[in-house]
Amino acid sequence: GAGVSQSPRYKVAKRGQDVALRCDPISGHVSLFWYQQALGQGPEFLTYFQNEAQLDKSGLPSDRFFAERPEGSVSTLKIQRTQQEDSAVYLCASSYLAGGVEQYFGPGTRLTVT
Amino acid sequence: GDSVTQMEGPVTLSEEAFLTINCTYTATGYPSLFWYVQYPGEGLQLLLKATKADDKGSNKGFEATYRKETTSFHLEKGSVQVSDSAVYFCALYSGGGADGLTFGKGTHLIIQP
Repeated sequence: GAGVSQSPRYKVAKRGQDVALRCDPISGHVSLFWYQQALGQGPEFLTYFQNEAQLDKSGLPSDRFFAERPEGSVSTLKIQRTQQEDSAVYLCASSYLAGGVEQYFGPGTRLTVT
Repeated sequence: GDSVTQMEGPVTLSEEAFLTINCTYTATGYPSLFWYVQYPGEGLQLLLKATKADDKGSNKGFEATYRKETTSFHLEKGSVQVSDSAVYFCALYSGGGADGLTFGKGTHLIIQP
């Protein structure tokens, strides 16, 4: 079946612009996670949804970052007033389990802020 | 807090060599442990996992054993191929229902023919 998809795959934004990154999880998956992966580093947890409820947003680096999953399927990560330090690959993962021991990752969106 | 430490790369080996990538962790409770692989231009793929002490995860010739006494989960393969060239990430999940995976920094493996 279809895996996790993310769009766009690449995004270039000028500093100060707002961006929106989309994640389509595997159909029926309860849990959805967002991660940020800086160049040469491992992914770092940003936020977690169980269905439409955002249960953990402790990893969001600032109040410029906002995520939503209004109908419990597609999720959007929004970054307002982008800064150069926001340049990274943003990964989405989903899991059929609540809590997500088995996470399936999308290909990521590479964001470059100029 | 939880953390994962894995050996720095790049690791360069010849084809058919034996591979070990070290991974140690710090976590509260009894985490589940994972190895993920990232091939060039692709997303993270789960390679193997172990959910309790002394479990051995295995897949595609790779193995790792959950060692609680040494808090380790080293990745091994007896004979590597050029196609194994990728970045390998060790990760843990502590549970609790709301936290994500905690990853190491990744080890870049290069296999030369």
